[in-house]
Amino acid sequence: QVQLQQWGAGLLKPSETLSLTCAVSGESFSDYFWAWIRQPPGKGLEWIGEVRHSGNFNYNPSLKTRVTISLDTSKTHFTLNLGSVTAADTAVYYCARQNHKAAAGTFGVKVFDSWGQGTLVTVSS
Amino acid sequence: DIQMTQSPPSLSASVGDGVNITCRTSQTISNYLNWYQQRPGKAPKFLIYGVSNLQTGVPSRFSGSGSGTDFTLTISGLQAEDFATYYCQQSYRTPWTFGQGTTVEVK
Repeated sequence: QVQLQQWGAGLLKPSETLSLTCAVSGESFSDYFWAWIRQPPGKGLEWIGEVRHSGNFNYNPSLKTRVTISLDTSKTHFTLNLGSVTAADTAVYYCARQNHKAAAGTFGVKVFDSWGQGTLVTVSS
Repeated sequence: DIQMTQSPPSLSASVGDGVNITCRTSQTISNYLNWYQQRPGKAPKFLIYGVSNLQTGVPSRFSGSGSGTDFTLTISGLQAEDFATYYCQQSYRTPWTFGQGTTVEVK
């Protein structure tokens, strides 16, 4: 049973860099994409990006210029860095595993099937 | 980006009721549609993938249907633990996008 445990600074000032880490246990690190998703207070979910052990990555174009997601395979951690934060980046940030499920009428469906506990990051001067 | 529109934004129901939540996409996504449940203060929980396939352990009172651009999550016989917010999500093309959520509240 995979477990994701995340941590990082919860209060930032505008223009600083957000940095969060997610530790993965209980499952092979190399077989999946590992993702970050955020949720502003009272709002819906926004996919930030994802990275795979092989080095493949995908980022949301809306955040691409400010985002880096990296892997530390020796420690089975992955990290989100989001630069030049503003109040609009205030949100609960989740790490998640992206799995691949077989389904009729598809070539396999990508799903976020395991999630970290979430970290509230507040950006305020 | 593929836009996801859920309706209604919220609904009130009682234990034992059946409810339907609709998700409409801005372009056809074939069967690449998933559903999640989120209880207050908790991380989302993965429920259904590929429109109608239940994740292991999800009760059979949950079901999904639809195709193309119109999809439905049905809960038949609401239980107390089902009062939560539900999100649809497309996995047809990046950026992966979610609906804005439908909150199922106690009447």
